[in-house]
Amino acid sequence: DAKTTQPPSMDCAEGRAANLPCNHSTISGNEYVYWYRQIHSQGPQYIIHGLKNNETNEMASLIITEDRKSSTLILPHATLRDTAVYYCIVRPYSGGYQKVTFGTGTKLQVIP
Amino acid sequence: DSGVTQTPKHLITATGQRVTLRCSPRSGDLSVYWYQQSLDQGLQFLIQYYNGEERAKGNILERFSAQQFPDLHSELNLSSLELGDSALYFCASSVGQTNTEAFFGQGTRLTVV
Repeated sequence: DAKTTQPPSMDCAEGRAANLPCNHSTISGNEYVYWYRQIHSQGPQYIIHGLKNNETNEMASLIITEDRKSSTLILPHATLRDTAVYYCIVRPYSGGYQKVTFGTGTKLQVIP
Repeated sequence: DSGVTQTPKHLITATGQRVTLRCSPRSGDLSVYWYQQSLDQGLQFLIQYYNGEERAKGNILERFSAQQFPDLHSELNLSSLELGDSALYFCASSVGQTNTEAFFGQGTRLTVV
C-alpha cells in the first residue's frame, strides 16, 4: 500500500488560503487520496477524497496532479478553527482502512 | 458530532488492571475500526470488525482483544495494563469496505498509573 509524505508543520495567516501538500509517489491506480484532520485530541474528521480529478466540497478543495504522485489540500479562507493536524492517506477503492497508515500529518497553525 | 459514540471519555487505572472500552458505530455502519494514538504519535491501527466478524488485525498486542456484538457495537478489552498503554483510543466506523469515508468517535483517554 502506498505511503504518504507530508511536511511536519505549516503556518498560515487567518483569512488566507492554506495549501497543504502531500506526496504519494507510490500510489496505485485503484487507490484514492483521502484527507482527514484532527483538532487537538479530538477524533479525526473526514475532509475530502479524490481519485484523479480535482474535488471541492464545503470544507476544502483537493488538487491531484496528473501523474497522481502528489496532491494539495486547499482551505480557501483559513480560520483559527482550522488549526489542526492534517492527515493525507491513500486507500484502495475496495479496501477498508485496515492497511491505511495515518502518519504524523502536517500540523497547521493558523495565525491571527 | 460524527455519530460514533465512545465511552468512557476518560479512564484512569493502575498497572496490571483490565479495562473495557466501548464503541457504538453510526447507525447503519457495519465496519468498526480501533486505533491507538500515543502522545504526539500518529494513529496506529489495531483491529477491524465487519458485521460481527474480525476482518483485519494490525499491531494489536496479545493482551488486547476486541469483539463486535450483534447490535454492531464493539468493545476493546485491554488487560495486564502497563504504563506504556496510556494513550488515546479511537473507534471509527464506516458503511462497508468500499469507497467510503470513516467516521471517528471522540476517543477514550486511558491513563495507566
